[in-house]
Amino acid sequence: GQNIDQPTEMTATEGAIVQINCTYQTSGFNGLFWYQQHAGEAPTFLSYNVLDGLEEKGRFSSFLSRSKGYSYLLLKELQMKDSASYLCAVLDSNYQLIWGAGTKLIIKP
Amino acid sequence: GAVVSQHPSWVICKSGTSVKIECRSLDFQATTMFWYRQFPKQSLMLMATSNEGSKATYEQGVEKDKFLINHASLTLSTLTVTSAHPEDSSFYICSARDLGGGSSSYNEQFFGPGTRLTVL
Repeated sequence: GQNIDQPTEMTATEGAIVQINCTYQTSGFNGLFWYQQHAGEAPTFLSYNVLDGLEEKGRFSSFLSRSKGYSYLLLKELQMKDSASYLCAVLDSNYQLIWGAGTKLIIKP
Repeated sequence: GAVVSQHPSWVICKSGTSVKIECRSLDFQATTMFWYRQFPKQSLMLMATSNEGSKATYEQGVEKDKFLINHASLTLSTLTVTSAHPEDSSFYICSARDLGGGSSSYNEQFFGPGTRLTVL
């Protein structure tokens, strides 16, 4: 079966750095997405990785290792507004998104 | 960037009534749209894939006669929850994939803002 694992909840301090991990086992791979979702809102796109390595976009970076079935989202200089759920999703061989359950990130002052 | 709208944003209805939710791609054509449902503190669950001009493909466990999907044009898909019951109360989100180029190189799905349905 297809499976995406990520921690349920993480807590970090304002101004610090946090890394949210995601491991996956899917039938085929056409890329991995990270989305941010605030409570009561739809997900918003953060990043897309299809090749191994690190993609940096401002305070957010995303890493992918296809051989290990592993990705992480790195958030730097955390701000209170970064408190949200972060969803990892993999595009499988049928170009269908397989979603992780999401990681709730709590930022404390 | 690609924009997807949903209407209504929220709806409250009585048990037994039907509710229609619209999903529109505003600045691109979407041959494929996706309908998701999300219960509190849970991840997105794909309900069905809506293809323009053809029947929707439903995920296992989703009743196609209860959740009617129509994708009559390249910019509009509708989800009708028929004979809604309290257990259908959820956050319904649509997304669309732009196959016309540009951001489509990412195979990205663009999400609508969601519709919160409450069935009394």
